Amino acid sequence: GQNIDQPTEMTATEGAIVQINCTYQTSGFNGLFWYQQHAGEAPTFLSYNVLDGLEEKGRFSSFLSRSKGYSYLLLKELQMKDSASYLCAVRFNTDKLIFGTGTRLQVFP
Amino acid sequence: EAQVTQNPRYLITVTGKKLTVTCSQNMNHEYMSWYRQDPGLGLRQIYYSMNVEVTDKGDVPEGYKVSRKEKRNFPLILESPSPNQTSLYFCASSSSPIPDEQYFGPGTRLTVT
Repeated sequence: GQNIDQPTEMTATEGAIVQINCTYQTSGFNGLFWYQQHAGEAPTFLSYNVLDGLEEKGRFSSFLSRSKGYSYLLLKELQMKDSASYLCAVRFNTDKLIFGTGTRLQVFP
Repeated sequence: EAQVTQNPRYLITVTGKKLTVTCSQNMNHEYMSWYRQDPGLGLRQIYYSMNVEVTDKGDVPEGYKVSRKEKRNFPLILESPSPNQTSLYFCASSSSPIPDEQYFGPGTRLTVT
């Protein structure tokens, strides 16, 4: 199969740093995406990794290790508006995109 | 404004009554896709299209049909809806012919009684 695993829920405090992990089966891997989805809204694109290493974009960074089948999304200086679900999605071969079930992050003051 | 639109946004219908959910994008995107989102199951791909007249099954195609006669439109058809198709549906598009950074429509909440 092509399972994508990520934690169901996480909590953190405003101003803190949180890391959301995602693991996947490596066969056919062709790129990994992170999306943010606020309750009742559509997902919005956050980041894309296809090579190993860290991609930084403002307060958000995404890391990929292809050999380990592992990625994480790092959120710094957390704000209340970061409370949302974070979806990890992996492109297998060139045409198949599989989403994880999402990690619901709650940020508390 | 670059966007993906879906209609209707909300629909309550009865078992067996054919319905179509429209999806349109104004970004000249190649790739379009339909997903359903259910609690605990995440986003699951129903069908996708890499170009006009090219469509393929995703992970959960049973009970659905699609067509891609024009680049901008990708309607989802439920010929005979059943209660297990009650879900939140999203249409998405990306500029390249493979699933890349995707732009999602606002979603259609469908209830089949």
